[in-house]
Parts: sequence; structure tokens; C-alpha cells
Amino acid sequence: DQQVKQNSPSLSVQEGRISILNCDYTNSMFDYFLWYKKYPAEGPTFLISISSIKDKNEDGRFTVFLNKSAKHLSLHIVPSQPGDSAVYFCAAVIQHTGNQFYFGTGTSLTVIP
Amino acid sequence: DGGITQSPKYLFRKEGQNVTLSCEQNLNHDAMYWYRQDPGQGLRLIYYSQIVNDFQKGDIAEGYSVSREKKESFPLTVTSAQKNPTAFYLCASSIKSGGSTDTQNFGPGTRLTVL
Repeated sequence: DQQVKQNSPSLSVQEGRISILNCDYTNSMFDYFLWYKKYPAEGPTFLISISSIKDKNEDGRFTVFLNKSAKHLSLHIVPSQPGDSAVYFCAAVIQHTGNQFYFGTGTSLTVIP
Repeated sequence: DGGITQSPKYLFRKEGQNVTLSCEQNLNHDAMYWYRQDPGQGLRLIYYSQIVNDFQKGDIAEGYSVSREKKESFPLTVTSAQKNPTAFYLCASSIKSGGSTDTQNFGPGTRLTVL
């Protein structure tokens, strides 16, 4: 049973515009969330994270928003650049039970020059 | 440079053969993980290990086996019992498990194709 879901398999955005990637989860025990970026035939690389005690975390062009009541988080990329084209995975963790990450199915972002 | 290495990048095996995928890290991380990625699916956890000589099954452990004899090494064996072994396999590590969350660092992956 998929506890973390990314319902949009793909997204296309014009260069310079905002990219919004969404992620939903079902387990209210998750208390830490991460976004990873993955290029083809490579391992994912960590992008940004957020603790459940916050509702927003910003790092340069990347901002993650968390809505705990809706069990929803989103990643905003502004402005989008062609190099951002990749697959983005969200992940969720229950911190006190260990470091097992639950990953979403990924969203393939294409930024059109 | 510190990091995680997986070898080989591409691996081909005949059906019915066991195959072992290598994962080595020099980050001095305590915890190591194996994931499998299939098209249209997220990363699914196969096995993880929090300390040497100890490991736990993940969500899809059937048909796989692991060992953790050394802190820096966590090889994964795909056995003939695994019904659909063709996939992209990712190894990851983190400083520690439990308590505060540590980011998992991933290796470059191994693409296994069973013919």
C-alpha cells in the first residue's frame, strides 16, 4: 500500500516560470519529509527537507510547503531552469522509529527552454 | 572523495542464476539500504542495515539476501527465487538511524537485466 503518493507522473514548465510538484501521504505519523532529484541512470540526490513542526522551508530557488491537516506537501521551483529537468521524489519518515524512508512514485519535470 | 560506489553499472545475467550487487561506502555511515526502482514506481525498500552484522527486511525482501560483515559494505544478492529481477537497484547510506533524521546518500545505481 503506497503511503506516499505523487499523482502527477510528469510536468512540463516553461523556463523562468514556477514549477510546482505535489506529494500526498496517508500516514499521520510521518514527521519529516524530503525531496530528492534524480537524473536518468543516476542515484537520487537530496534537495530539501522539512520537519513537521514547520510549514515552509526555503533554500534558494526551492521551497517546500507542508500542510499537515491535508497531509500534503509541495515543492516550488522558481524560476525553473532547463537543468532542473529530472525526476523528483518526495519521501517521508517517522523519525523515532528509525530512518526508513517511504518514497513516492516520482514526478518527471521537463523545463522547456 | 567520500561517497557510495556501486558496481557494476550494468549487469546481465541468465534466468535462474544468482547475482550479487556490490555497494561500498567510505562515509563512515552506520546505516545502509537497498532499494529497487521500476518504471512508474517509486523507490521500494528491499533491505536495510543499521549496524554491522544486523539487517532487516524492507517491503519487498522476497527473493533477495544481504550481508553486513563490514561497516562499509552491504552487498545484495538477487536469487533465482526473485520473480522479476530486472530493475534499477540503488544503494544508500546514512549517518545513523533513529532519532534525528539524517539524509540518505545514494550510490549511482546498478541496472540489472535478466535474460
